[in-house]
Amino acid sequence: GAVVSQHPSWVICKSGTSVKIECRSLDFQATTMFWYRQFPKQSLMLMATSNEGSKATYEQGVEKDKFLINHASLTLSTLTVTSAHPEDSSFYICSASYGGGSPLHFGNGTRLTVT
Amino acid sequence: AQKITQTQPGMFVQEKEAVTLDCTYDTSDPSYGLFWYKQPSSGEMIFLIYQGSYDQQNATEGRYSLNFQKARKSANLFISASQLGDSAMYFCAMREALNSGYSTLTFGKGTMLLVSP
Repeated sequence: GAVVSQHPSWVICKSGTSVKIECRSLDFQATTMFWYRQFPKQSLMLMATSNEGSKATYEQGVEKDKFLINHASLTLSTLTVTSAHPEDSSFYICSASYGGGSPLHFGNGTRLTVT
Repeated sequence: AQKITQTQPGMFVQEKEAVTLDCTYDTSDPSYGLFWYKQPSSGEMIFLIYQGSYDQQNATEGRYSLNFQKARKSANLFISASQLGDSAMYFCAMREALNSGYSTLTFGKGTMLLVSP
């Protein structure tokens, strides 16, 4: 089955620093990847849609200057949390699909803690 | 209005018993897909089962089956013979506008399932 790899699985950083999270589709090409954020005991909230070779589409309320998304190839999308603050601490998870009605396959997520 | 509604915050079931997790959805799009995902405490999202809006038969995958009631807009997940490893959060999700090329998933709030020995 389709595999999506996300790295790192957890990261602790100091307030004010930036953190990059990678999302790779290992055995298929994903023209579109999605980035979600999940707070404890809550559902997944879509942050942005990442399109290969073009600008990401951000959901309302998500700061695009804070959460930089780059989809440089058909198998790699990155999310950079810039100038992280404690309120950015969360579980970030990416997903990708072949398109159409195929299921989204998720990475294992990244647990970010900002101290 | 919520697009996906899961009314059961938590469910308890004994091992080897069956359980149904409820999900209702709201869409005016004729082409959509319904998904169930399992999220254990480790955090990964595990795809369980998919039902397309035009599928005539209910989807089944091993111990999982999806009870698709299109007129009632419900897509309940049935798990037969629960196992201890089934303890996890379960999310119902919907993907609309399937013919548009791509679209994201909208998730319900989830149901925490606890399976006891």
